[in-house]
Amino acid sequence: DGGITQSPKYLFRKEGQNVTLSCEQNLNHDAMYWYRQDPGQGLRLIYYSQIVNDFQKGDIAEGYSVSREKKESFPLTVTSAQKNPTAFYLCASADSGNTIYFGEGSWLTVV
Amino acid sequence: QKEVEQNSGPLSVPEGAIASLNCTYSDRGSQSFFWYRQYSGKSPELIMSIYSNGDKEDGRFTAQLNKASQYVSLLIRDSQPSDSATYLCAVGGGADGLTFGKGTHLIIQP
Repeated sequence: DGGITQSPKYLFRKEGQNVTLSCEQNLNHDAMYWYRQDPGQGLRLIYYSQIVNDFQKGDIAEGYSVSREKKESFPLTVTSAQKNPTAFYLCASADSGNTIYFGEGSWLTVV
Repeated sequence: QKEVEQNSGPLSVPEGAIASLNCTYSDRGSQSFFWYRQYSGKSPELIMSIYSNGDKEDGRFTAQLNKASQYVSLLIRDSQPSDSATYLCAVGGGADGLTFGKGTHLIIQP
């Protein structure tokens, strides 16, 4: 089936630790995005990529890093510099008409 | 700063009635407009897209766009309990994807 796969679904991070969230898509979409959602809040853009080996910061990029080495993959690393990382993380990709489709999301909790 | 505004609700509607959800946006250059439905603890799923002024119907859903007033709405006819969710309005037109509102929490009362 075509779609966007995020893993893991649940992740726990200790203080000072970096963690990486995986995002893979087989929709052949060029554009990919990472959003963060806090309870009762809207989606905020962390990073986006329009093409392989190129990506741009979104509104809340501090404390996060990404790579885009393959068209299908856009992993997000939450670094220790991100002081409040507990949130629901959503990976998405967009078709040529800029319609965005989401993966199932990853819940990150700091312990 | 692009902004998308929605009433957070909750909006309570009796089963079988019409639910009306509204959204305003700040960027006059926006070209594409979307409604997503998000159940609690789940990721958003696309309900409707609209690109030109007027109405667009898909089953029980109708999206309405008025670019002059910078206003988008979603009507849900014959509301069902399964329609209870948070509805996100999203607006776009650039390479940085969509700007999302905070969502309206809709409750359909049986």
